[in-house]
Amino acid sequence: AQSVAQPEDQVNVAEGNPLTVKCTYSVSGNPYLFWYVQYPNRGLQFLLKYITGDNLVKGSYGFEAEFNKSQTSFHLKKPSALVSDSALYFCAVRDAGNTPLVFGKGTRLSVIA
Amino acid sequence: DGGITQSPKYLFRKEGQNVTLSCEQNLNHDAMYWYRQDPGQGLRLIYYSQIVNDFQKGDIAEGYSVSREKKESFPLTVTSAQKNPTAFYLCASSTLTPGGYGYTFGSGTRLTVV
Repeated sequence: AQSVAQPEDQVNVAEGNPLTVKCTYSVSGNPYLFWYVQYPNRGLQFLLKYITGDNLVKGSYGFEAEFNKSQTSFHLKKPSALVSDSALYFCAVRDAGNTPLVFGKGTRLSVIA
Repeated sequence: DGGITQSPKYLFRKEGQNVTLSCEQNLNHDAMYWYRQDPGQGLRLIYYSQIVNDFQKGDIAEGYSVSREKKESFPLTVTSAQKNPTAFYLCASSTLTPGGYGYTFGSGTRLTVV
């Protein structure tokens, strides 16, 4: 069965500093990996995905993520954080079939001015 | 605009009452999903459907029921058998094409037991 771990409930970073939100996964076969962002009382918005190809994936709003197969990780990164990046971030995984996405518990990112 | 619409935004349920949450999409997506979100627990899958008139239980289906009579619609009923229904409910849809863009989510329904 697929699973996702987001080891940090909360990440605090100063505005302008780089940020990293961690994600590790477990799946049979090749993973399909996703990052979503959620603002208060809203649905989730797609940020980026990894299906195959380059290990560094670029997505919306300047975010990127690095797929590391040996460490089964898919950490979300941004070179320079903005206060408006403050939100709840979810990592999700599924296998190559059409099984539903499995989500992590989320990491709350707080960017401080 | 194409999208997925959940209604109502807020819903209050009395003890022992069934309530139905609406989810409609005009994206022509084959698959639809219901997730429950509780603080600190992430999203947990309740039910999903990949084709009309068929649906599958997720991890926490007890106390919930669904139907998929039309491709566009996937309503969720929270029955009186669900003992702790207060939560934020999210509906999502997707294509079944491998490597698609994951899910499109609705804005959610916040259900509170009064």
